Amino acid sequence: GENVEQHPSTLSVQEGDSAVIKCTYSDSASNYFPWYKQELGKRPQLIIDIRSNVGEKKDQRIAVTLNKTAKHFSLHITETQPEDSAVYFCAASIIPIDNKLIFGTGTLLAVQP
Amino acid sequence: DGGITQSPKYLFRKEGQNVTLSCEQNLNHDAMYWYRQDPGQGLRLIYYSQIVNDFQKGDIAEGYSVSREKKESFPLTVTSAQKNPTAFYLCASSIDGVSYEQYFGPGTRLTVT
Repeated sequence: GENVEQHPSTLSVQEGDSAVIKCTYSDSASNYFPWYKQELGKRPQLIIDIRSNVGEKKDQRIAVTLNKTAKHFSLHITETQPEDSAVYFCAASIIPIDNKLIFGTGTLLAVQP
Repeated sequence: DGGITQSPKYLFRKEGQNVTLSCEQNLNHDAMYWYRQDPGQGLRLIYYSQIVNDFQKGDIAEGYSVSREKKESFPLTVTSAQKNPTAFYLCASSIDGVSYEQYFGPGTRLTVT
Protein backbone atom coordinates (compact mmCIF):
# COMPACT_ATOMS: atom_id res chain seq x y z
CA GLY A 1 0.00 0.00 0.00
CA GLU A 2 0.84 3.67 -0.12
CA ASN A 3 3.46 5.06 2.24
CA VAL A 4 4.06 8.77 2.75
CA GLU A 5 7.22 10.07 4.38
CA GLN A 6 7.45 13.66 5.61
CA HIS A 7 10.49 15.77 6.57
CA PRO A 8 11.50 17.51 8.70
CA SER A 9 9.58 16.55 11.82
CA THR A 10 10.24 19.96 13.36
CA LEU A 11 11.12 23.25 11.73
CA SER A 12 11.90 26.57 13.38
CA VAL A 13 12.15 29.76 11.33
CA GLN A 14 12.30 33.48 11.99
CA GLU A 15 9.27 35.56 11.16
CA GLY A 16 9.50 36.67 7.55
CA ASP A 17 11.64 33.74 6.44
CA SER A 18 10.44 30.96 4.14
CA ALA A 19 9.62 27.42 5.24
CA VAL A 20 9.71 24.26 3.13
CA ILE A 21 8.27 20.88 4.09
CA LYS A 22 8.90 17.86 1.89
CA CYS A 23 7.02 14.61 1.36
CA THR A 24 7.65 11.50 -0.68
CA TYR A 25 5.14 8.85 -1.66
CA SER A 26 5.56 5.28 -2.80
CA ASP A 27 2.55 4.48 -5.00
CA SER A 28 2.92 5.94 -8.50
CA ALA A 29 -0.87 5.67 -8.92
CA SER A 30 -1.46 8.41 -6.32
CA ASN A 31 -2.85 11.49 -8.00
CA TYR A 32 -4.14 13.78 -5.26
CA PHE A 33 -1.91 15.47 -2.67
CA PRO A 34 -3.48 17.71 -0.01
CA TRP A 35 -1.83 19.57 2.85
CA TYR A 36 -3.58 20.01 6.20
CA LYS A 37 -2.74 22.44 8.99
CA GLN A 38 -3.49 21.63 12.60
CA GLU A 39 -3.15 24.43 15.11
CA LEU A 40 -2.64 23.52 18.75
CA GLY A 41 -5.83 22.07 20.20
CA LYS A 42 -7.75 22.39 16.96
CA ARG A 43 -8.87 20.08 14.19
CA PRO A 44 -6.87 19.67 10.95
CA GLN A 45 -7.96 21.90 8.08
CA LEU A 46 -7.12 21.75 4.40
CA ILE A 47 -4.88 24.61 3.29
CA ILE A 48 -3.97 23.62 -0.26
CA ASP A 49 -4.06 20.61 -2.53
CA ILE A 50 -2.66 19.60 -5.90
CA ARG A 51 -3.59 16.99 -8.45
CA SER A 52 -1.11 15.09 -10.55
CA ASN A 53 -1.96 16.92 -13.75
CA VAL A 54 -0.25 20.11 -12.50
CA GLY A 55 3.26 20.73 -11.23
CA GLU A 56 2.65 23.75 -9.01
CA LYS A 57 -0.20 25.56 -7.30
CA LYS A 58 -0.11 28.81 -5.35
CA ASP A 59 -2.47 30.51 -2.93
CA GLN A 60 -1.14 33.77 -1.58
CA ARG A 61 1.84 32.91 0.66
CA ILE A 62 1.60 29.16 0.28
CA ALA A 63 2.52 26.99 -2.69
CA VAL A 64 2.80 23.31 -3.40
CA THR A 65 5.06 21.71 -5.99
CA LEU A 66 4.82 18.17 -7.32
CA ASN A 67 7.47 16.05 -9.03
CA LYS A 68 5.73 12.92 -10.29
CA THR A 69 8.91 11.36 -11.64
CA ALA A 70 10.64 11.55 -8.29
CA LYS A 71 7.38 10.96 -6.39
CA HIS A 72 7.77 13.88 -4.08
CA PHE A 73 5.86 17.06 -3.31
CA SER A 74 6.63 20.06 -1.15
CA LEU A 75 4.85 22.82 0.74
CA HIS A 76 6.38 26.29 0.55
CA ILE A 77 5.36 29.09 2.91
CA THR A 78 6.82 32.52 2.23
CA GLU A 79 6.97 35.53 4.55
CA THR A 80 6.11 33.37 7.55
CA GLN A 81 4.07 34.85 10.38
CA PRO A 82 3.57 33.67 13.97
CA GLU A 83 0.06 32.46 13.07
CA ASP A 84 1.66 29.98 10.65
CA SER A 85 2.93 28.06 13.70
CA ALA A 86 1.17 24.68 13.63
CA VAL A 87 1.60 21.05 12.65
CA TYR A 88 1.42 20.48 8.91
CA PHE A 89 0.46 17.13 7.39
CA CYS A 90 0.89 16.03 3.81
CA ALA A 91 -1.21 13.22 2.37
CA ALA A 92 -1.70 11.18 -0.79
CA SER A 93 -4.70 9.54 -2.37
CA ILE A 94 -5.90 7.88 -5.56
CA ILE A 95 -9.04 9.67 -6.68
CA PRO A 96 -11.74 8.78 -7.54
CA ILE A 97 -11.01 5.07 -7.23
CA ASP A 98 -10.07 5.03 -3.55
CA ASN A 99 -10.49 8.34 -1.79
CA LYS A 100 -8.82 7.43 1.48
CA LEU A 101 -5.93 9.66 2.50
CA ILE A 102 -2.58 8.31 3.65
CA PHE A 103 -0.96 10.95 5.83
CA GLY A 104 2.65 11.76 6.54
CA THR A 105 3.81 11.94 10.15
CA GLY A 106 3.58 15.72 10.38
CA THR A 107 5.91 18.71 10.70
CA LEU A 108 5.78 21.03 13.69
CA LEU A 109 6.51 24.52 12.36
CA ALA A 110 7.48 27.19 14.86
CA VAL A 111 7.72 30.76 13.62
CA GLN A 112 9.79 32.85 16.00
CA PRO A 113 8.73 36.53 16.21
CA ASP B 1 -15.99 24.63 12.08
CA GLY B 2 -19.27 22.93 12.79
CA GLY B 3 -21.13 20.44 10.66
CA ILE B 4 -19.31 17.43 12.06
CA THR B 5 -19.43 16.66 15.74
CA GLN B 6 -17.82 14.12 18.02
CA SER B 7 -18.77 13.24 21.53
CA PRO B 8 -17.63 13.14 24.18
CA LYS B 9 -14.53 15.33 24.12
CA TYR B 10 -12.83 13.27 26.83
CA LEU B 11 -13.56 9.63 27.64
CA PHE B 12 -12.13 7.44 30.36
CA ARG B 13 -12.49 3.67 30.48
CA LYS B 14 -11.10 0.74 32.35
CA GLU B 15 -9.05 -1.84 30.52
CA GLY B 16 -11.17 -4.68 29.17
CA GLN B 17 -14.23 -2.54 28.46
CA ASN B 18 -15.54 -1.76 25.02
CA VAL B 19 -16.27 1.90 24.31
CA THR B 20 -18.11 3.61 21.46
CA LEU B 21 -17.13 7.02 20.08
CA SER B 22 -19.79 9.08 18.36
CA CYS B 23 -19.41 10.93 15.05
CA GLU B 24 -22.28 12.83 13.44
CA GLN B 25 -22.33 15.11 10.39
CA ASN B 26 -25.05 17.28 8.88
CA LEU B 27 -23.07 18.17 5.75
CA ASN B 28 -24.80 15.54 3.59
CA HIS B 29 -21.41 13.98 2.91
CA ASP B 30 -21.29 10.46 1.56
CA ALA B 31 -17.85 9.50 2.86
CA MET B 32 -16.77 9.30 6.50
CA TYR B 33 -13.46 8.36 8.09
CA TRP B 34 -11.93 7.50 11.47
CA TYR B 35 -8.32 8.36 12.29
CA ARG B 36 -6.15 7.81 15.28
CA GLN B 37 -3.61 10.50 16.16
CA ASP B 38 -0.58 9.69 18.30
CA PRO B 39 2.40 11.99 18.89
CA GLY B 40 4.95 11.68 16.10
CA GLN B 41 2.81 9.28 14.04
CA GLY B 42 0.51 11.57 12.16
CA LEU B 43 -3.04 10.55 11.32
CA ARG B 44 -3.53 6.84 10.80
CA LEU B 45 -6.68 5.57 9.11
CA ILE B 46 -8.76 3.09 11.12
CA TYR B 47 -11.90 2.62 9.01
CA TYR B 48 -13.68 4.49 6.26
CA SER B 49 -17.07 4.38 4.60
CA GLN B 50 -17.90 5.76 1.18
CA ILE B 51 -21.62 5.00 1.29
CA VAL B 52 -24.25 3.90 3.78
CA ASN B 53 -24.10 0.23 4.81
CA ASP B 54 -20.58 -0.18 3.47
CA PHE B 55 -17.17 0.37 5.05
CA GLN B 56 -13.55 -0.68 4.56
CA LYS B 57 -10.64 -1.31 6.88
CA GLY B 58 -7.87 1.22 7.01
CA ASP B 59 -4.27 0.60 8.00
CA ILE B 60 -4.89 -0.05 11.71
CA ALA B 61 -8.35 -1.64 11.93
CA GLU B 62 -7.46 -4.41 14.38
CA GLY B 63 -9.33 -4.04 17.66
CA TYR B 64 -11.85 -1.57 16.23
CA SER B 65 -15.30 -1.91 14.67
CA VAL B 66 -17.67 0.51 12.94
CA SER B 67 -21.17 0.69 11.51
CA ARG B 68 -22.74 2.97 8.92
CA GLU B 69 -26.49 2.53 9.19
CA LYS B 70 -27.25 6.19 8.51
CA LYS B 71 -25.56 8.71 6.24
CA GLU B 72 -25.14 11.12 9.13
CA SER B 73 -23.56 8.76 11.62
CA PHE B 74 -20.38 6.67 11.75
CA PRO B 75 -19.75 5.38 15.31
CA LEU B 76 -16.45 3.74 16.21
CA THR B 77 -16.20 1.01 18.85
CA VAL B 78 -12.86 0.47 20.51
CA THR B 79 -12.89 -3.12 21.71
CA SER B 80 -10.92 -4.79 24.46
CA ALA B 81 -8.84 -6.43 21.71
CA GLN B 82 -7.16 -3.10 20.90
CA LYS B 83 -3.77 -3.31 22.59
CA ASN B 84 -3.07 0.40 22.99
CA PRO B 85 -6.41 2.22 22.88
CA THR B 86 -5.33 5.42 24.63
CA ALA B 87 -5.16 8.03 21.86
CA PHE B 88 -6.82 11.02 20.24
CA TYR B 89 -9.50 9.94 17.74
CA LEU B 90 -10.59 12.12 14.85
CA CYS B 91 -13.59 11.62 12.61
CA ALA B 92 -13.85 13.23 9.17
CA SER B 93 -16.24 13.42 6.26
CA SER B 94 -16.00 14.39 2.61
CA ILE B 95 -18.37 14.83 -0.30
CA ASP B 96 -15.99 13.44 -2.95
CA GLY B 97 -16.52 13.62 -6.65
CA VAL B 98 -16.15 17.38 -6.78
CA SER B 99 -13.93 18.20 -3.83
CA TYR B 100 -11.98 15.66 -1.87
CA GLU B 101 -11.45 17.92 1.12
CA GLN B 102 -11.97 16.11 4.39
CA TYR B 103 -13.72 18.02 7.15
CA PHE B 104 -12.64 16.96 10.61
CA GLY B 105 -14.53 16.82 13.86
CA PRO B 106 -13.08 18.21 17.10
CA GLY B 107 -11.84 14.81 18.24
CA THR B 108 -12.26 12.57 21.27
CA ARG B 109 -9.41 11.89 23.65
CA LEU B 110 -9.76 8.36 25.00
CA THR B 111 -7.84 7.27 28.05
CA VAL B 112 -7.87 3.63 29.09
CA THR B 113 -6.35 2.62 32.41
